[in-house]
Amino acid sequence: KAGVTQTPRYLIKTRGQQVTLSCSPISGHRSVSWYQQTPGQGLQFLFEYFSETQRNKGNFPGRFSGRQFSNSRSEMNVSTLELGDSALYLCASSLADWGSYEQYFGPGTRLTVT
Amino acid sequence: AQSVTQLDSQVPVFEEAPVELRCNYSSSVSVYLFWYVQYPNQGLQLLLKYLSGSTLVESINGFEAEFNKSQTSFHLRKPSVHISDTAEYFCAVSDTGGGNKLTFGTGTQLKVEL
Repeated sequence: KAGVTQTPRYLIKTRGQQVTLSCSPISGHRSVSWYQQTPGQGLQFLFEYFSETQRNKGNFPGRFSGRQFSNSRSEMNVSTLELGDSALYLCASSLADWGSYEQYFGPGTRLTVT
Repeated sequence: AQSVTQLDSQVPVFEEAPVELRCNYSSSVSVYLFWYVQYPNQGLQLLLKYLSGSTLVESINGFEAEFNKSQTSFHLRKPSVHISDTAEYFCAVSDTGGGNKLTFGTGTQLKVEL
């Protein structure tokens, strides 16, 4: 069974631009969560989607948004990029939206904002 | 709200020596507890989890963790480490009330030396 895939793996953008990151969950998984990982702030929860509905949202500005499609694939978008948005963005998929189910993480997208 | 504290940012240890990585949490609600491992340039992998029942949980590669409710701790231990255990280890909690949101600690870099 294929794991969680994230595209692209690496991305370089300029301040003020916007970016869209994609996450394809494991087949059959209906929950997708997104995390931002930085050396300074560590791993921070962005949002969670289940069956195309946002289930949970972290404390990030409105520039960060996401969505989930009917095939469970998810995208996150960051508008008006800032230097501080440089990070590794990880997505995780799970069978259900109960915390007891294992979450499987993708390799991440490394975003660099210059 | 929940928080997770990993007091040790780095733990150097010689191969075949025992190791303990400490994790304390704070939460106003019941939580599930997790340990994740991250190898360089990779996503997170679940090492072990505590959901309920026996307070001692074990992984397939020799790690174990014990849930201590009174001390709100979930320390990770291994009696004999290997070079291949060198990685960053993250303790995390999620609310038992539903949802997959994980709150992570800041991580502990385990460096195993010959």
